[in-house]
Amino acid sequence: AQSVTQLGSHVSVSEGALVLLRCNYSSSVPPYLFWYVQYPNQGLQLLLKYTTGATLVKGINGFEAEFKKSETSFHLTKPSAHMSDAAEYFCAVSASNTGNQFYFGTGTSLTVIP
Amino acid sequence: EAGVAQSPRYKIIEKRQSVAFWCNPISGHATLYWYQQILGQGPKLLIQFQNNGVVDDSQLPKDRFSAERLKGVDSTLKIQPAKLEDSAVYLCASSLVLGMNTEAFFGQGTRLTVV
Repeated sequence: AQSVTQLGSHVSVSEGALVLLRCNYSSSVPPYLFWYVQYPNQGLQLLLKYTTGATLVKGINGFEAEFKKSETSFHLTKPSAHMSDAAEYFCAVSASNTGNQFYFGTGTSLTVIP
Repeated sequence: EAGVAQSPRYKIIEKRQSVAFWCNPISGHATLYWYQQILGQGPKLLIQFQNNGVVDDSQLPKDRFSAERLKGVDSTLKIQPAKLEDSAVYLCASSLVLGMNTEAFFGQGTRLTVV
């Protein structure tokens, strides 16, 4: 079975500072990993995904994440936070042995302080 | 390309009443998901369809929830009777093909309040 743990339900950063949102996963087979963003009263929008190949993946809006198998982690980073980055971020895992279902973490709410 | 369409956006009902939500996935997407997102939590899968067949409904409370996707396109999720703890956002998502590592595309959701 797959599962995701997001450390820190709330993260605050100053505008222009580094954003680091943590995600650790559990999977018995090679996982597919995703980061989604959710703005208030909106659905989830894909930021980036890791399937195979390069472990550093780049997404939209300047975000990137690195798949580290040894640490079972897929942390999301952005070098410089912008006010528009304030939202809820969800890490998700899926795998071929579970019908490619998406298992989501509990989310991290990002606040950007001007 | 049109996204995943859901209706209604908001619904308020009294407990023990029934309610239905509708979802139209992205054209050509064979896999359709219904998720329940309770405030402060991540989405939880309720049911997954591949075309008009159910792939997984293990977390669907079948005594009160039902879902169908009769023609393999749009889908309906029903709750009857509703309980207070059903208050949540119900998200519909679709993806291209089951068994491949494609992402899911989400609709805006239906916010249900049970009073």
